[in-house]
Amino acid sequence: GDSVTQMEGPVTLSEEAFLTINCTYTATGYPSLFWYVQYPGEGLQLLLKATKADDKGSNKGFEATYRKETTSFHLEKGSVQVSDSAVYFCALGNYGQNFVFGPGTRLSVLP
Amino acid sequence: GAGVSQTPSNKVTEKGKYVELRCDPISGHTALYWYRQSLGQGPEFLIYFQGTGAADDSGLPNDRFFAVRPEGSVSTLKIQRTERGDSAVYLCASSPTGPPSEQFFGPGTRLTVL
Repeated sequence: GDSVTQMEGPVTLSEEAFLTINCTYTATGYPSLFWYVQYPGEGLQLLLKATKADDKGSNKGFEATYRKETTSFHLEKGSVQVSDSAVYFCALGNYGQNFVFGPGTRLSVLP
Repeated sequence: GAGVSQTPSNKVTEKGKYVELRCDPISGHTALYWYRQSLGQGPEFLIYFQGTGAADDSGLPNDRFFAVRPEGSVSTLKIQRTERGDSAVYLCASSPTGPPSEQFFGPGTRLTVL
């Protein structure tokens, strides 16, 4: 079945550093890809999404590009802030199948 | 508009007891999902409703777990004879349509079985 693999954390960065969190997937057909974020003590929030190859999702300075040739959807941000500290989940949604979530990557940003 | 709500936010029960967890989806969303999240892990799929019917219940771990959505809106997850291993955060999400459209999550119910 479909699956998602993402880099294990925790990731610790200094404020204003560049962030990359890798996500790769295995799926049949043409899935949609998502990044969700979970701030401490809160539920999961959709951060960004892409529904077809070469689409770029973006929100709050975060970006991810749907790369079908490398089956990847890496999350990037040019300059992280302390408030970005959270757990980030890569997820995949496919027709006729349920969402699949990665295990999550915990990001800590230090001032 | 209102988001997905879940009640209670916390539930502490004793081993062997019965619990019900409630989810109110976003109005008009036809799809509703239940997940279980253990500490340090991603959401684990339990069951998916499309309207009133369970479109996929393959994630329910055993027959102690059951969920209903009788009017196609509110859903209740029911756990019988709770075990300590059932302790987790139970998440509900809704979606305008079924997969692959994005899901909107509630804040979760933290279940602790003593």
